[in-house]
Amino acid sequence: GAGVSQSPSNKVTEKGKDVELRCDPISGHTALYWYRQSLGQGLEFLIYFQGNSAPDKSGLPSDRFSAERTGGSVSTLTIQRTQQEDSAVYLCASRRGTAETQYFGPGTRLLVL
Amino acid sequence: DQQVKQNSPSLSVQEGRISILNCDYTNSMFDYFLWYKKYPAEGPTFLISISSIKDKNEDGRFTVFLNKSAKHLSLHIVPSQPGDSAVYFCAPRAQGGSEKLVFGKGMKLTVNP
Repeated sequence: GAGVSQSPSNKVTEKGKDVELRCDPISGHTALYWYRQSLGQGLEFLIYFQGNSAPDKSGLPSDRFSAERTGGSVSTLTIQRTQQEDSAVYLCASRRGTAETQYFGPGTRLLVL
Repeated sequence: DQQVKQNSPSLSVQEGRISILNCDYTNSMFDYFLWYKKYPAEGPTFLISISSIKDKNEDGRFTVFLNKSAKHLSLHIVPSQPGDSAVYFCAPRAQGGSEKLVFGKGMKLTVNP
């Protein structure tokens, strides 16, 4: 597709369950980011992938959060043992090479009950 | 500690008038400053950017001004249109490493017909 796609668009889960969120970046974009936006807040950086380099995980809030990027394309963000404070919109963005502009997907709205 | 501040949470203007959105930052290592527009239930859409070596960048109705000494930037929209009604985020880029974007909390702009 032409843009960044994410699935699912919405996810409701029970506290303690694991969830997986998927991101398909723009074809040819080597850099991929995950951010999250909690209610009333700006976007918060979570993790960054660039080619075959080691990811920058400095924004992950706890060890319950992990992410993979397979084959330099699709990425999956996994949240284990979800908590209510994990409820947020999780946004994926991709960037071409050294360009400064990141292009965002529509996000996954996660609600933990 | 907020590195990026958008101190006014909302702004309301009449169609055809100028909208001015302000952003203050603390990190002198930011090298690019991006503005994103976000509609409800959608991901942020890139609007305009400015390099730290410039003080003005113009694209159609949108102009961004950067005052590095004051660590302040502003987005001017003129003339404002009802379709400009959205949440606007100031997002400087952290130089080097992941080059992640550091977002402000956003400002909701309403343009009244």
